[in-house]
Amino acid sequence: AQSVTQPDIHITVSEGASLELRCNYSYGATPYLFWYVQSPGQGLQLLLKYFSGDTLVQGIKGFEAEFKRSQSSFNLRKPSVHWSDAAEYFCAVGAGGGATNKLIFGTGTLLAVQP
Amino acid sequence: DAGVIQSPRHEVTEMGQEVTLRCKPISGHNSLFWYRQTMMRGLELLIYFNNNVPIDDSGMPEDRFSAKMPNASFSTLKIQPSEPRDSAVYFCASSLVAGGSYNEQFFGPGTRLTVL
Repeated sequence: AQSVTQPDIHITVSEGASLELRCNYSYGATPYLFWYVQSPGQGLQLLLKYFSGDTLVQGIKGFEAEFKRSQSSFNLRKPSVHWSDAAEYFCAVGAGGGATNKLIFGTGTLLAVQP
Repeated sequence: DAGVIQSPRHEVTEMGQEVTLRCKPISGHNSLFWYRQTMMRGLELLIYFNNNVPIDDSGMPEDRFSAKMPNASFSTLKIQPSEPRDSAVYFCASSLVAGGSYNEQFFGPGTRLTVL
């Protein structure tokens, strides 16, 4: 069965520092992978997605993620974090073969940004 | 595009009362999802619809929960009777299923439910 693991529940970084949020997935075929962000009191917003092709994908707000099949990982990165990036980040994998767009979400990583 | 619309944004009710949450998906989307988010359990998929038909309701916690989608532009999630443990943020999301490829889900702002 498909699953997503985000091993870090909470991360704190200093403003201007680089960021990497980890995501590992379990899926039998080529996965469809997503990163969503949830700001306090808001719904989830798509940051980026990977379907196929280039394993390094660019998203909004300066985020990028790299798909590594050998490690079953899809880690999210940003070279320089801004205070406005403080939010909760969810990794998700597509489940259902594209017939339903159903997603399996990880438990999320809460990012705090220190001034 | 107005995005996914949910109402009400906040609901406070007393235990035993009926609660109805409403969702209007993005026009043209044919797939709709209801989620529940709590600190303890994170983001849980409750039920999803394709072309107004419920496909998988295995995430619905118990018979007190029911969901309907009478047409492509409206869905409801009903809790009857409500209990304090139902307190959570409920999200609706919609998506376009087409061509066998995944498309993103667009989330509404959520309804924060408090059952006293």
